[in-house]
Amino acid sequence: DVKVTQSSRYLVKRTGEKVFLECVQDMDHENMFWYRQDPGLGLRLIYFSYDVKMKEKGDIPEGYSVSREKKERFSLILESASTNQTSMYLCASSPGGPEPSQETQYFGPGTRLLVL
Amino acid sequence: AQKVTQAQTEISVVEKEDVTLDCVYETRDTTYYLFWYKQPPSGELVFLIRRNSFDEQNEISGRYSWNFQKSTSSFNFTITASQVVDSAVYFCALSEFPGVGADMRFGAGTRLTVKP
Repeated sequence: DVKVTQSSRYLVKRTGEKVFLECVQDMDHENMFWYRQDPGLGLRLIYFSYDVKMKEKGDIPEGYSVSREKKERFSLILESASTNQTSMYLCASSPGGPEPSQETQYFGPGTRLLVL
Repeated sequence: AQKVTQAQTEISVVEKEDVTLDCVYETRDTTYYLFWYKQPPSGELVFLIRRNSFDEQNEISGRYSWNFQKSTSSFNFTITASQVVDSAVYFCALSEFPGVGADMRFGAGTRLTVKP
């Protein structure tokens, strides 16, 4: 089974703090993703990575950065947390490749971040 | 641009009732993938099904069935004889081919509550 783990289930931070969210997958997947989930908006893509040290902006990258130093680990960084970044953050990975099955994304349990 | 609409925000049924979750999508591509994910209270999105645009066969898996109709751009999900454990938020998603999944678009989700 694919396993995607996230470092924290719940996190409380103060405005202006630098926040690190860690994600690890154990299936040697090429692609990794960070989403935020907000009520009524579904999931929105923040950043993704299709290879080590490679990153691409998603739909809402402002206020975030990412790091992928190793294939299995993809970190999301909030440079200076703000209250509008209070949200559920979901990490996902997919195998990558030409086959349809390799497009399927597998998700971690999510991190609920509260910025005060 | 691609878009996924789940018009039903919340649905409540009594156990053993059948329930259908609607999903309507928009895309300009002729080749694409459609997905359904389940998000139980634990938070982790669980992959349920992937359907390719060139395969309009309906699919049944136990109590779950999916009706894909290109003519109406719909990919509806039916749960037969619902159970309390089916209570979750269900997301429909669309991914255009080819891609690394970074263009996956999620609907806003439908919260299903199954009462005993």
